Amino acid sequence: GESVGLHLPTLSVQEGDNSIINCAYSNSASDYFIWYKQESGKGPQFIIDIRSNMDKRQGQRVTVLLNKTVKHLSLQIAATQPGDSAVYFCADSNDMRFGAGTRLTVKP
Amino acid sequence: GAVVSQHPSWVICKSGTSVKIECRSLDFQATTMFWYRQFPKQSLMLMATSNEGSKATYEQGVEKDKFLINHASLTLSTLTVTSAHPEDSSFYICSAPGTEPYNEQFFGPGTRLTVL
Repeated sequence: GESVGLHLPTLSVQEGDNSIINCAYSNSASDYFIWYKQESGKGPQFIIDIRSNMDKRQGQRVTVLLNKTVKHLSLQIAATQPGDSAVYFCADSNDMRFGAGTRLTVKP
Repeated sequence: GAVVSQHPSWVICKSGTSVKIECRSLDFQATTMFWYRQFPKQSLMLMATSNEGSKATYEQGVEKDKFLINHASLTLSTLTVTSAHPEDSSFYICSAPGTEPYNEQFFGPGTRLTVL
């Protein structure tokens, strides 16, 4: 039979556009957050992290924003490329359980 | 960076047989490892926490007698799917945490299990 699980919301963007992926968390005491990228058939890989004493952190083409007031994270990918197509998860370092994630599809 | 490996990367077995999946931390020690299952187009579902030298902690709804976990050393955890059935077909992924206090997870590449 079919298993019950978290089905993935999707985001489709044109190559070259910017992507924004959102994530909500529930634990107001959480102090460290991580974004992971999972390509098809592979394990998740670390993209970028942010501590709770920061509002924003930038990497190469990626930016994470943290809004502690509303317990919300976002991952922004600049100039999205086909290689960015994957599922993206945000994670609270204190919780090993993952939310639904978002499937990003980049159209050429 | 820290590397976690899994073996095998894929396995096909007959219904009723048992399959063992290994998860190794290659360049660091892990007293704790985590096992996940992922069905197509779904998220990672935490199955259990593997603890070196002690019993694993299973998530609610995961049968401990069906999914046997052994964490015999600081670099190896194994997941054995016993009496596998087609509904056990899935992508199994392990992870190990990095250095405190950040607890970034290092994930293995996954094992694709197909039960015929």
